[in-house]
This record gives sequence, C-alpha cells and structure tokens, in this order.
Amino acid sequence: KAGVTQTPRYLIKTRGQQVTLSCSPISGHRSVSWYQQTPGQGLQFLFEYFSETQRNKGNFPGRFSGRQFSNSRSEMNVSTLELGDSALYLCASSLDRTGGVGTETQYFGPGTRLLVL
Amino acid sequence: GNSVTQMEGPVTLSEEAFLTINCTYTATGYPSLFWYVQYPGEGLQLLLKATKADDKGSNKGFEATYRKETTSFHLEKGSVQVSDSAVYFCALRNNAGGTSYGKLTFGQGTILTVHP
Repeated sequence: KAGVTQTPRYLIKTRGQQVTLSCSPISGHRSVSWYQQTPGQGLQFLFEYFSETQRNKGNFPGRFSGRQFSNSRSEMNVSTLELGDSALYLCASSLDRTGGVGTETQYFGPGTRLLVL
Repeated sequence: GNSVTQMEGPVTLSEEAFLTINCTYTATGYPSLFWYVQYPGEGLQLLLKATKADDKGSNKGFEATYRKETTSFHLEKGSVQVSDSAVYFCALRNNAGGTSYGKLTFGQGTILTVHP
C-alpha cells in the first residue's frame, strides 16, 4: 500500500506570495493532519481534517488555511508569505475508525520544504 | 494542557552501546504515547507506540514502557548501530477526543549519532 505522498517536495517563494501544498493520504485513511517543523519551534500542529471538515486547529494565524476533498486528499495554503514561514511542512494520515480516539497511529509523508526569500 | 519533555541532546554513542532517551509528559486524560524517528531529509516514521498504562511498545530492538505513575515513556535499545543515527521524537495524542482530535504533541527531539 502506498504511503502518504506530498507535493511538491521543495518550494522557493518570495515574501508576500502565497503557496499551496498538497497531501494524498494512505488509501482508506480519512483523517489528515498538518504540522510545521522548524529548528526553533520544533513540530507544531497546524490543523486536522476529517470527512472534509476541519476538526481541530493549532495556534497559527489565519494566513494558514486548509481543506480536504471528498477523496480525503488535502491541501494547505499559506497566504502573504513571511520569512518565518520557511519550514518543513508535514502531512500525516490516520484511519480514524474510532472517531477521533487517540489510539490511532498517524503516518507521515516526506514533507514539503518551503523556503521563503 | 498537554506537553512532552525529552532529554537534551545531542547524544553521541559508540556502536553496540546501550541507549536511553528520556521522555516525560503532562496530559489530561489518558494519552497514547509514541516514538517517531526522522532520518536526514525525510519525514517522520513511527518507531513504536503504547496506548495504555504498563503497555510496552517495541520495534527493531527499541523498547519503551508506558509508566503512568512517573508519566514517562523512555526509549531504550540494548545495542545501537550506526544506522540508528537520526532524530527521535516522543509524542502524545490525547484520547479525550474533542479538541484533541488529530493532534500529536511532540517533544523537542533528540539527535542521536552513533559512531563505528
């Protein structure tokens, strides 16, 4: 079974631009979560989608948004990019048979490395 | 709120040495606990997990036991190899549902380097 895939793998943007990142979960997985990884802040939770609905959101400004499609694929968008948005953005999927109970394992993709100049 | 604290790194060991990476947590309810590993230039891979007190997770020679009385989930391996060099993250996911849906809380990561 194919793992979580993320596109693109690398991206260079300039300040003020916007960017859209894509994540395809493992087949059959209904939950998709996004994380930002930086050397200074570590791994931080952005948001989680389940059945096309945002179910949870981390402490990020409104410039960070996302959505999930009916096939469970997800996109996240960052508008008006800032230098501090340079990071590795990781997507994770889980089967979520139990409606959000935390025993489900999240499987991570390879990430999209975003550099903002 | 939830939080995870890992031992400060980096950790440098010789091949075949014993490894311990300490992890303690603070959480409401009854969290599930995970160890993830990240190799250079890659995403996170699940190493092992435990979902209730006294459970022991194990994989590839690594072990960790969920100790509710000490709120700990220390990672151990009896004999490390050069190929174990990576960054290790301890994480929790709260089982309470609600605002905890889908959210993993991570420790800061511990860099492990194993020399031949």
